[in-house]
Amino acid sequence: NAGVTQTPKFQVLKTGQSMTLQCAQDMNHNSMYWYRQDPGMGLRLIYYSASEGTTDKGEVPNGYNVSRLNKREFSLRLESAAPSQTSVYFCASSEAKGINTEAFFGQGTRLTVV
Amino acid sequence: SQKIEQNSEALNIQEGKTATLTCNYTNYSPAYLQWYRQDPGRGPVFLLLIRENEKEKRKERLKVTFDTTLKQSLFHITASQPADSATYLCAPTNSGYALNFGKGTSLLVTP
Repeated sequence: NAGVTQTPKFQVLKTGQSMTLQCAQDMNHNSMYWYRQDPGMGLRLIYYSASEGTTDKGEVPNGYNVSRLNKREFSLRLESAAPSQTSVYFCASSEAKGINTEAFFGQGTRLTVV
Repeated sequence: SQKIEQNSEALNIQEGKTATLTCNYTNYSPAYLQWYRQDPGRGPVFLLLIRENEKEKRKERLKVTFDTTLKQSLFHITASQPADSATYLCAPTNSGYALNFGKGTSLLVTP
């Protein structure tokens, strides 16, 4: 089983460039999440989607947009990349019904903005 | 606002001892509390979930407690091994809500 797949795994951008991080899950989960992880800061929630067709801001949404394209896919877009967005980005999904709140994570995207 | 606190300092213990990690939360009442393990360069991996009406849960060498009065969870690894060295994250949560994590505690088990 693939689980949660993120692309790309590594990316270098110049300041001001745009890009979209892709995430897909094959577990028929309702909820999907985007996090960034920086040294000493832990996992910080950027945006999440509780179900297909809905998205909500997390702790650090500024500079990002998201699209829940369908139940499987949840993309994260940087419209104008800044060096402060250099980070490791993780996508996750969860069934998020009743006790089934366990999250499954992708392998991460290491993004460097120069 | 909701706040999740984990020991910020790394925990160093000797092989064979019990490691105890703490997770405190404020300003919400989670129905569940999850613990994850994260190895360098990888995404977190789910370990255990405990419900608000459960005092304790065990899985092999792992034990988790959940005290809703103290708003605290303790995560124990008994008979620790060097392979247990990793960062451990807690996530107090409610179904259908955003999944937020503590910053994690780094555990180093030395032979």
